[in-house]
Amino acid sequence: DADVTQTPRNRITKTGKRIMLECSQTKGHDRMYWYRQDPGLGLRLIYYSFDVKDINKGEISDGYSVSRQAQAKFSLSLESAIPNQTALYFCATSDSPGTGSGANVLTFGAGSRLTVL
Amino acid sequence: QQQVKQSPQSLIVQKGGISIINCAYENTAFDYFPWYQQFPGKGPALLIAIRPDVSEKKEGRFTISFNKSAKQFSLHIMDSQPGDSATYFCAAAFNTNAGKSTFGDGTTLTVKP
Repeated sequence: DADVTQTPRNRITKTGKRIMLECSQTKGHDRMYWYRQDPGLGLRLIYYSFDVKDINKGEISDGYSVSRQAQAKFSLSLESAIPNQTALYFCATSDSPGTGSGANVLTFGAGSRLTVL
Repeated sequence: QQQVKQSPQSLIVQKGGISIINCAYENTAFDYFPWYQQFPGKGPALLIAIRPDVSEKKEGRFTISFNKSAKQFSLHIMDSQPGDSATYFCAAAFNTNAGKSTFGDGTTLTVKP
């Protein structure tokens, strides 16, 4: 099984609909992230969480919300989807400083492709 | 303001050739420079990384060259193989906070047989 699992892998929806993308991890990492990937634009950070009680906005948080249900689960919601939110979304995890050598390394899921019509 | 600029956007190399991808960063506070490799349908995965206290790091056919004064670093793939065909992202990060990574726009590498 994958260390970082994202569901759904593909989703087509209509403008105005509420969408939730889910992420679960078996890495045991405290830190989790949501990124958006658009062609030619690299990866941009939407939200991140350093532990269950910690949520932080990233570079492009407008129009998105997140929930950290448990250490292993971090979901991304689009309250009212719009076409320019069509993108590939990645969940990622990393270790915390002092717990190992992975505080600077991101482990990504396989991605969730979202199309908003 | 783009903090990490990556070039070229796409690259085609013959099998056995050398692939070179370049990145430039602006924020001198970055202290960790990873390269991620992404295959179609997969998420990016760490390929190789370097800290600014060394000028070169080699792992197999993959080498990072780092020029701190010029704020540039590059990925060299020696003896490029068709299996290396992927998208490569450079990033600039903080050693204790991967979430503060700033990514380049990516380079799509195609290695022709």
